[in-house]
Amino acid sequence: DTEVTQTPKHLVMGMTNKKSLKCEQHMGHRAMYWYKQKAKKPPELMFVYSYEKLSINESVPSRFSPECPNSSLLNLHLHALQPEDSALYLCASSQEFQVIIDSTGELFFGEGSRLTVL
Amino acid sequence: GEDVEQSLFLSVREGDSSVINCTYTDSSSTYLYWYKQEPGAGLQLLTYIFSNMDMKQDQRLTVLLNKKDKHLSLRIADTQTGDSAIYFCAEGASSSGGYNKLIFGAGTRLAVHP
Repeated sequence: DTEVTQTPKHLVMGMTNKKSLKCEQHMGHRAMYWYKQKAKKPPELMFVYSYEKLSINESVPSRFSPECPNSSLLNLHLHALQPEDSALYLCASSQEFQVIIDSTGELFFGEGSRLTVL
Repeated sequence: GEDVEQSLFLSVREGDSSVINCTYTDSSSTYLYWYKQEPGAGLQLLTYIFSNMDMKQDQRLTVLLNKKDKHLSLRIADTQTGDSAIYFCAEGASSSGGYNKLIFGAGTRLAVHP
């Protein structure tokens, strides 16, 4: 199983709603990532979890709250979002976060959750 | 700081070769990657090259790396309509303490026409 599964595929929410994006992998990877991708732009890193601990927060506003309940699951809780937060949110995983010998460091990406904030 | 640059658009005729170019700034990157993204989908790793290699070939794909000029290219032979997508160059920013913090280029949109 080399898949990263994201749900939901599409989400429309109002600025006062609370919603969550979910990501799951069963490859035994110890690093999981959230990226944000705006239209016609490259993915931008938001958060990295390594061994279920938050390793990187790229100065993301607190209305985005990540959670890693276990090594296979990664959530992104959304609250009081703005219309400019509308984007494709991509989850990824890799064997490790720290570069190790004999590892390509490859990130496996999910299909993404397309979020629209009204 | 780290930066990856790509041309934004490439149009080729079906059956021709496509060459997508990329320049990067972090000379200590261990790996350089090419990802493909089809409309509305996630990113799929196409190929990668280790920084001590000059060339890597994988079926229709050839990656060339010029470390001196920090230039990376992806050649797709016999380009097909199914190759139409956005191609992202990415460097593993190992200067950030040996971590898999990928830095992506802006992406090159490849359009293949009959």
